Amino acid sequence: EADIYQTPRYLVIGTGKKITLECSQTMGHDKMYWYQQDPGMELHLIHYSYGVNSTEKGDLSSESTVSRIRTEHFPLTLESARPSHTSQYLCASSESGTYTGELFFGEGSRLTVL
Amino acid sequence: AQSVAQPEDQVNVAEGNPLTVKCTYSVSGNPYLFWYVQYPNRGLQFLLKYITGDNLVKGSYGFEAEFNKSQTSFHLKKPSALVSDSALYFCAVDRGALTFGSGTRLQVQP
Repeated sequence: EADIYQTPRYLVIGTGKKITLECSQTMGHDKMYWYQQDPGMELHLIHYSYGVNSTEKGDLSSESTVSRIRTEHFPLTLESARPSHTSQYLCASSESGTYTGELFFGEGSRLTVL
Repeated sequence: AQSVAQPEDQVNVAEGNPLTVKCTYSVSGNPYLFWYVQYPNRGLQFLLKYITGDNLVKGSYGFEAEFNKSQTSFHLKKPSALVSDSALYFCAVDRGALTFGSGTRLQVQP
């Protein structure tokens, strides 16, 4: 069983609010990722990190930001939420190595912006 | 450019019949390929991976996949489908981080 946790699981907020989606893992993985999953189910990489103080933008442009101050924690923040941000956000982690390897996913945070 | 393609949005199969979920890739060199499954309102779960070696890879829940370099494919297969296999299936390729295909919904009818 994967030890990666996301909170909140579900969130409904109004436009313009600031929100932070939390992601924590207890496996000591250096690599962490955020994916956005749209209603059509396609997954898009929006941010990733290879370790503390390392963050990179993914394939899909996103107005969100991330930080990696501790190995186990990789929060995602939206400064001013809009309806277009309505989506499911999936956090994942993996061990270091020459290739990405197996990703362990959290159960997701489903965000609805009214 | 898309690195992996899943040409079928949905695959329907009767329980007990063999199933195939298709995936093709378009990366250069030797690809690292993966299959993941997603059940409703859950994150993704790893099924299997191809890194090198035997072209037939066996994974969780009785699934297997065949790497075919000449056809640039990595189709997911199972000899006998179960109703509980109904889920979303994603093919992925490692490009520094995993890039996923668009997903295929598998529906197994009793």
